[in-house]
Amino acid sequence: GENVEQHPSTLSVQEGDSAVIKCTYSDSASNYFPWYKQELGKGPQLIIDIRSNVGEKKDQRIAVTLNKTAKHFSLHITETQPEDSAVYFCAAPRSGAAGNKLTFGGGTRVLVKP
Amino acid sequence: EPEVTQTPSHQVTQMGQEVILRCVPISNHLYFYWYRQILGQKVEFLVSFYNNEISEKSEIFDDQFSVERPDGSNFTLKIRSTKLEDSAMYFCASSESFAVSTDTQYFGPGTRLTVL
Repeated sequence: GENVEQHPSTLSVQEGDSAVIKCTYSDSASNYFPWYKQELGKGPQLIIDIRSNVGEKKDQRIAVTLNKTAKHFSLHITETQPEDSAVYFCAAPRSGAAGNKLTFGGGTRVLVKP
Repeated sequence: EPEVTQTPSHQVTQMGQEVILRCVPISNHLYFYWYRQILGQKVEFLVSFYNNEISEKSEIFDDQFSVERPDGSNFTLKIRSTKLEDSAMYFCASSESFAVSTDTQYFGPGTRLTVL
């Protein structure tokens, strides 16, 4: 099955700086990679996703890059703000499975210091 | 914007009791999921459900667990005889389909289950 590793587990940045979180996956057939943000006491909220036919996707201050050869994808947050403080999870589906079971990374706790 | 809702937000139960966690998926979605998150750990897949039957289940989803879509809007997770280790946050999710571009899973706010 799919195995997703996420680094770092915690990340502290100064407001305005950039944050980068990296995930690696094991199943070379995986073709969809979502990122979720989880605030305290809430469910994971999709913030951006990327499919394997593109190498990068950007949405305002958030971008995701994908390297299929190396089997890793990264979340980039620029100009961080205190409201970016949360736990971020990457995920990958098990390829070919009807219903697309998601395998999650271990999460990265991001703290943006004002 | 449509969203997945879950009730209750917090459920406390005694070991051995049955619990039912409820979810209302996004209305035009056809695929439904349950995940759980033990405090401080990864979000783990439990089960996926489509067309009134289980599509896939994890090894966690043993005979103590069952899912049901009792009507056109609700999706439930039942734990027959709760154990201490069932204490976790349970998330419901739904997706429009599993085809490309409509397979995005949207998560509810979760139900915190505490087994005493």
